[in-house]
Amino acid sequence: KAGVTQTPRYLIKTRGQQVTLSCSPISGHRSVSWYQQTPGQGLQFLFEYFSETQRNKGNFPGRFSGRQFSNSRSEMNVSTLELGDSALYLCASSFRVEGAGEQYFGPGTRLTVT
Amino acid sequence: GENVEQHPSTLSVQEGDSAVIKCTYSDSASNYFPWYKQELGKGPQLIIDIRSNVGEKKDQRIAVTLNKTAKHFSLHITETQPEDSAVYFCAASLSGGYQKVTFGTGTKLQVIP
Repeated sequence: KAGVTQTPRYLIKTRGQQVTLSCSPISGHRSVSWYQQTPGQGLQFLFEYFSETQRNKGNFPGRFSGRQFSNSRSEMNVSTLELGDSALYLCASSFRVEGAGEQYFGPGTRLTVT
Repeated sequence: GENVEQHPSTLSVQEGDSAVIKCTYSDSASNYFPWYKQELGKGPQLIIDIRSNVGEKKDQRIAVTLNKTAKHFSLHITETQPEDSAVYFCAASLSGGYQKVTFGTGTKLQVIP
């Protein structure tokens, strides 16, 4: 069974630009969560999508948004990039229906904002 | 919101010794506690998890214990090997119609051959 895939793996953007990251979950998984990982703040929850609906959102500004498609693939968008947005962005998929389910992470997208 | 504290931040052990990592959480409604191992350049890998209706779970050399009253849980690795060297994260999850996972700050484990 293929794991979670994320594209692109590396990205360099300039301050003020916008970026879209993609995540393909494990086949059959309907929940996709996104996380930001930085050395200073650690792993922080961005949002969770389940059956194309955002179920929960972390404490990030509105510049961070996402969506999920009918095939469960998800995209995350960051607009008006700031230097502090440089981070490893991870997505995780889960088979959960209700309640907590085991999450499986992709390798992440390393975003550098200059 | 939920807050998860993890200790120690770094841990060095001799190969063959045991390693213990401890976490505390703040929200008594949290009901799922996974542990992840992250190697350099990779995403976190789920290694073991425990739900709030269970006190202990073991998988070969890895075990996790949960004390709901004290709101703390621990990861125990026995007979450590060099390949156990990595960063380990604990997490606590609130769930219902959604799942929101809060991670600890991570423990860098070094196993010395």
